[in-house]
Amino acid sequence: DVKVTQSSRYLVKRTGEKVFLECVQDMDHENMFWYRQDPGLGLRLIYFSYDVKMKEKGDIPEGYSVSREKKERFSLILESASTSQTSMYLCASSSWDRGYSNQPQHFGDGTRLSIL
Amino acid sequence: AQRVTQPEKLLSVFKGAPVELKCNYSYSGSPELFWYVQYSRQRLQLLLRHISRESIKGFTADLNKGETSFHLKKPFAQEEDSAMYYCALTTYGGSQGNLIFGKGTKLSVKP
Repeated sequence: DVKVTQSSRYLVKRTGEKVFLECVQDMDHENMFWYRQDPGLGLRLIYFSYDVKMKEKGDIPEGYSVSREKKERFSLILESASTSQTSMYLCASSSWDRGYSNQPQHFGDGTRLSIL
Repeated sequence: AQRVTQPEKLLSVFKGAPVELKCNYSYSGSPELFWYVQYSRQRLQLLLRHISRESIKGFTADLNKGETSFHLKKPFAQEEDSAMYYCALTTYGGSQGNLIFGKGTKLSVKP
């Protein structure tokens, strides 16, 4: 069974802090994703990565950066946290079945981040 | 532009009643569609995908390309079906599996 593990379930930080959210998957998936989930807005893609050291912007990358130094780990970084970044953050991973179809994404439990 | 629309934020039905969660999409090519579900205090998980043509937990969904819809249906709702449901779209040969999510529909099944 695919396991996507996010380092923290709950996190409280202060405005202006640099915040790191970590995600690890154990299925050797090529693709990894970071979303934020807000009531009434659904899931919005922040960044994704389809290979080590590769990253692509999603729909709402402003104020965030990512790092993927190893295939199994994908980190989301809030450069200078603001109250507007208080949200639930979801990490996901998927494999790429070349030439056929996109494989389903597997999600972690999420990190509820509060910026005070 | 690719878009997924779930017109209902909240859908409330009684146990045993039929349920239909609506999903419409906008995409000019060949879409691949999914339904994801999130039960209370659980992680988001795949419910079904259109290419599998499966019935999961009694739910089915048919892709209607003419109406650009992928509605989720169940003939007899159960209380344990209460959850948040997201419709999602990706494209064949697209950017390594990116998903575009709708805003979600919260299903509440009353006893």
